[in-house]
Amino acid sequence: IAGITQAPTSQILAAGRRMTLRCTQDMRHNAMYWYRQDLGLGLRLIHYSNTAGTTGKGEVPDGYSVSRANTDDFPLTLASAVPSQTSVYFCATARDITYNEQFFGPGTRLTVL
Amino acid sequence: GQNIDQPTEMTATEGAIVQINCTYQTSGFNGLFWYQQHAGEAPTFLSYNVLDGLEEKGRFSSFLSRSKGYSYLLLKELQMKDSASYLCAVTGSNYQLIWGAGTKLIIKP
Repeated sequence: IAGITQAPTSQILAAGRRMTLRCTQDMRHNAMYWYRQDLGLGLRLIHYSNTAGTTGKGEVPDGYSVSRANTDDFPLTLASAVPSQTSVYFCATARDITYNEQFFGPGTRLTVL
Repeated sequence: GQNIDQPTEMTATEGAIVQINCTYQTSGFNGLFWYQQHAGEAPTFLSYNVLDGLEEKGRFSSFLSRSKGYSYLLLKELQMKDSASYLCAVTGSNYQLIWGAGTKLIIKP
């Protein structure tokens, strides 16, 4: 693994289905983030984790949940997908919360029909 | 409220210079970032300013004025590969990044 990986690369999902987007890093960074990016809007923070075992809500957390069982993995779960969750999702990491240069994974393109 | 403003789109000519402006209003300030994002790809780090003044890195420079809530990214000797979106982001008081919508830069031959 080199850096940050995300899976799947893209997904088409029926509304109402449950979906987990995976993010794994090998950079030993403490902070991890999930963003969504929609056309004409800036990156919007969904959830974040300052260190393993802790998580927090970002700007647009509704309909999403996360967990941080260890340093490397930070999965994002959509419990019951809705069309408004159609977006590109980026996972990012930073060395720690106060050193905020963020490194991004390649993204997951999700379409909810 | 918190707000980051930057132009939606700019056009420039190969070999020229372009300046992309960013103004911000945030609760707290702990630094300003510029990222580059090519279409269909992830953002990548370009520059970081926490003190007033100009930071130069090769063909790219970034300027910050904290009193004016203003930054710009200056790109010199433009190349076709510089066609991308440029994202301005500010670290607020809680150390979360607040992102602008990005400026799409189109380079013409």
